[in-house]
Amino acid sequence: DVKVTQSSRYLVKRTGEKVFLECVQDMDHENMFWYRQDPGLGLRLIYFSYDVKMKEKGDIPEGYSVSREKKERFSLILESASTNQTSMYLCASRPGLAGVYEQYFGPGTRLTVT
Amino acid sequence: GESVGLHLPTLSVQEGDNSIINCAYSNSASDYFIWYKQESGKGPQFIIDIRSNMDKRQGQRVTVLLNKTVKHLSLQIAATQPGDSAVYFCAEKTGGGNKLTFGTGTQLKVEL
Repeated sequence: DVKVTQSSRYLVKRTGEKVFLECVQDMDHENMFWYRQDPGLGLRLIYFSYDVKMKEKGDIPEGYSVSREKKERFSLILESASTNQTSMYLCASRPGLAGVYEQYFGPGTRLTVT
Repeated sequence: GESVGLHLPTLSVQEGDNSIINCAYSNSASDYFIWYKQESGKGPQFIIDIRSNMDKRQGQRVTVLLNKTVKHLSLQIAATQPGDSAVYFCAEKTGGGNKLTFGTGTQLKVEL
């Protein structure tokens, strides 16, 4: 089974803090994704990466950055956390095989910024 | 950008009945669709997918129907069980690339 793990299930940070959310997958997947999930808005793509050190902006990249130094690990960084970044953050991965689009999700990190 | 939406935010069904969850999409170029189930406190979990060259696909107790004429997708769950209670999301992929666009989700509640 594919396993995607996220470093924290719950996180509380203060406005202005730098926040790191870590995601690790154990299936040697090329593609990794970060989403945020908000009530009524579904899942929105923040950033994704299709290879080590490669990244592309998703639909809502403002206020976020990412890092992918190793294939199995994809980090989401909030440079200066704000209250409007309070949300559920979901990481996902997908193999780089042509025609395979199913993404495997981690359990999520619920971030509260006060 | 394209949007994927669901008709009903909450669906309540009796245990043992069949459930139908609907999804409308707006991009006629979308060529792949997928349904996820998200239980409380967990990440989304793959249920079933379908490509645009198909109208119907069946899995274990689930069937996905695709009507490209009206850009509508549905997920049918047979003999709904309490363990089916969750939020269900549809998502679409448009053309090439890595991105899936997700709908807002439907909460399925199974009443005993």
